[in-house]
Parts: sequence; C-alpha cells; structure tokens
Amino acid sequence: GAGVSQTPSNKVTEKGKYVELRCDPISGHTALYWYRQSLGQGPEFLIYFQGTGAADDSGLPNDRFFAVRPEGSVSTLKIQRTERGDSAVYLCASSQGLAGVTSTDTQYFGPGTRLTVL
Amino acid sequence: AQKITQTQPGMFVQEKEAVTLDCTYDTSDPSYGLFWYKQPSSGEMIFLIYQGSYDQQNATEGRYSLNFQKARKSANLVISASQLGDSAMYFCAMRDNRDDKIIFGKGTRLHILP
Repeated sequence: GAGVSQTPSNKVTEKGKYVELRCDPISGHTALYWYRQSLGQGPEFLIYFQGTGAADDSGLPNDRFFAVRPEGSVSTLKIQRTERGDSAVYLCASSQGLAGVTSTDTQYFGPGTRLTVL
Repeated sequence: AQKITQTQPGMFVQEKEAVTLDCTYDTSDPSYGLFWYKQPSSGEMIFLIYQGSYDQQNATEGRYSLNFQKARKSANLVISASQLGDSAMYFCAMRDNRDDKIIFGKGTRLHILP
C-alpha cells in the first residue's frame, strides 16, 4: 500500500515568509508525527497528533511553528516569519497509534520536505 | 532523561563482511522500544528492526539482527553479508511508555567498499 507522502519535496523561501508543509499519512494510521532534521543530525521531534488533536507539541521551537490535522488524516506544518535557522528537512511519520502499548508502535516516515530559507 | 548514543560517526566495511553498528541508550522507564532506521542519500527514513524491552530473544529481520544487552543498555545492529546498497546513514532510536516521540541518536554513516 501507499506509504507516507509529503509535499512539496523541496521548498525555497525568503526570510520572513510564511510556508506550509503537507503530510499525508498511511491510510488507517491514527498517529502522526513531525520531526526536523538538520544536516548531520538525527531527526528531532516537533509535534505528535493522535487523531485530530495535538497530543504533544513540546518539540515546537517557538510560536512561529504550528501544525494542524483537522480531519485526523492529512496534516499541515505551518511556519510563520521564516528564519534562516529554520532551514532543514522536515520529516513526517505515521503509526497505528496502538493504545496501551506505545513502545511497540512503529513509526513509518515519509521522504521529507527540504526547506531552504534564503 | 532519555538518551541515545551512537559513538561511530563513520565506518568503512568491505562488501560481504558482517558489520556491527553500536548503540547505547538511557531511560528510567522499564518499558521501552528500540528501533533502527536506515537513511540512504535519498533522505527517506526506512524502518529496519524493532526490539521491545521485554522481548526475551534478539530481534531478527533478514540480514539485520539486533544484539540486545539489556543490563548494559546496548542495542547494536548487526548486518550480515553486507552489500553495496547498505551504504547509508543508520540511526538508532528509542521510545518509552511515558512519551510518544522517538529519540534518535546522531547516526553512523556506513560505507560498503567493493
């Protein structure tokens, strides 16, 4: 079946602009995650959705970052007033969202969106 | 606090040889899961193998196996009979029951030599 998809694959924007990054999870997966990966580093957690609600947004670096998942499927990560330091690959992952056995709930990742802020 | 440590920033291995990628972790939660992901130059994170903290046996998936030593908090990935296509970044990661996010190590870049 189809995996996690992300659009666009690349986004170049100017400092101060607003961007939206989209994630389409695996069908039937209730849990959705956003991560950010800087060059030479492992992914860092940003936010996690269970269904439509953000269950954990502790990784969002500041209030310029916001994410939504209004119908419990597709999610959009929104970045306002972009800064050069926001340049990174933004990865989305989804999982079945197994209740009560969270440690076994394998996350499957999309190809990422490479964001470049000039 | 949760922590994942990968001490090998890069490794060079001859094709067909076995390779071990090191990973140590730290958590105070007795229930947790350990994951290995492969990231080729295309950028996609590919799930390889999972080990639960209560699993009695080491996980295996084809040429991948996880050498899980719970007392030492070690979860090394072993790739048998390496292939040129195994060249990639490899990330060790952990998730425990207190949290839903995965914590990743810094990764090991593996180069398979022909």
